[in-house]
Amino acid sequence: DTEVTQTPKHLVMGMTNKKSLKCEQHMGHRAMYWYKQKAKKPPELMFVYSYEKLSINESVPSRFSPECPNSSLLNLHLHALQPEDSALYLCASSQDLQGNTEAFFGQGTRLTVV
Amino acid sequence: AQTVTQSQPEMSVQEAETVTLSCTYDTSESDYYLFWYKQPPSRQMILVIRQEAYKQQNATENRFSVNFQKAAKSFSLKISDSQLGDAAMYFCAYRATGGAQKLVFGQGTRLTINP
Repeated sequence: DTEVTQTPKHLVMGMTNKKSLKCEQHMGHRAMYWYKQKAKKPPELMFVYSYEKLSINESVPSRFSPECPNSSLLNLHLHALQPEDSALYLCASSQDLQGNTEAFFGQGTRLTVV
Repeated sequence: AQTVTQSQPEMSVQEAETVTLSCTYDTSESDYYLFWYKQPPSRQMILVIRQEAYKQQNATENRFSVNFQKAAKSFSLKISDSQLGDAAMYFCAYRATGGAQKLVFGQGTRLTINP
């Protein structure tokens, strides 16, 4: 199994809503990532978790709150988002943070904030 | 900070022909990794090929090969015998060795395959 599964595939939310994006992998990977990708742009790193601990926060606004409840799951909690936060949110995982390890990506959640 | 530049926003090629996508990068590191990722309309980023900077030999994966010129900081992707399924956005990416596995992506090249 080399899949990273993200749910939901599409999400429309209002600016006052609270929602969560979910990511799951069963490859035994100990590093997991959230990327944000705007239309026609490359992915930009948001957060990195290593062994369920937050390793990197790329100065992401607090309205995005990551959570890694166990080594297989990664959540991104959303609250009070702005329309400019509309984007494709990609989750990825890798064996660890060291060495020449491949990052496996999910298919993303297409988020629209209205 | 490391930067990755893809100077070709769009490329097109006839089916069965060969196409080369360009990528340059800037870094002060001597050891690092370079990648080409493919993002089809399904949105999933798929690793196409990777190159370790300490290896002089160019990486090859079936119809995909790279021309890695370390001194020139150039990393181009050659796709031979292009197939319709190769149509996608292609991203060149850089990652430093050690530390967090942060991928720095170029702006992407959209590849169209003409039947």
